Amino acid sequence: DAGVTQSPTHLIKTRGQQVTLRCSPKSGHDTVSWYQQALGQGPQFIFQYYEEEERQRGNFPDRFSGHQFPNYSSELNVNALLLGDSALYLCASSFGWARSNQPQHFGDGTRLSIL
Amino acid sequence: DQQVKQNSPSLSVQEGRISILNCDYTNSMFDYFLWYKKYPAEGPTFLISISSIKDKNEDGRFTVFLNKSAKHLSLHIVPSQPGDSAVYFCAATIQGAQKLVFGQGTRLTINP
Repeated sequence: DAGVTQSPTHLIKTRGQQVTLRCSPKSGHDTVSWYQQALGQGPQFIFQYYEEEERQRGNFPDRFSGHQFPNYSSELNVNALLLGDSALYLCASSFGWARSNQPQHFGDGTRLSIL
Repeated sequence: DQQVKQNSPSLSVQEGRISILNCDYTNSMFDYFLWYKKYPAEGPTFLISISSIKDKNEDGRFTVFLNKSAKHLSLHIVPSQPGDSAVYFCAATIQGAQKLVFGQGTRLTINP
């Protein structure tokens, strides 16, 4: 039973570039959330997708956008990269948007470094 | 505005003893709380959760206690084992919202 998988594992970009991160949810899950974890901090919610629509969004600028595909996989896109975007980006999946008491399951993340 | 706080960045405990990790929250709308464990180079792993209608939930060596009046929860690990050494995050959400709000984490070290 495959868990949440993310690619790539590591990525190095320069300021101003654009990046796309990918996530495949755990088998049976249909809801995908993205989080940003800066060094020494807890993960911060970016947004959540269900039925190919963004359902909730955290306090992140429009440079952060996403997409969910019919097979429930998801992409996170970040435009005009800033040094402050350097972080671990985590994808989490769960079953049934807005269902109660459904713990989210996380992938191992993509480590993004901006030079 | 840090709605979920873990005030102890680190904790060191002897193997076999009890580990107690604490978490405070400010948003009274939170009604579902979770603990995650994170090893280096891995994503957070779900450990245990509790709904606000309960004040205790147990799963093997792990017990979570919720004190709603104090807006405080704690995770007890008994007995502590070397494999428990990791960073522990508490998280809170409003049921159905699924947007998790995390604390800053506590690094637990179990000494042999």
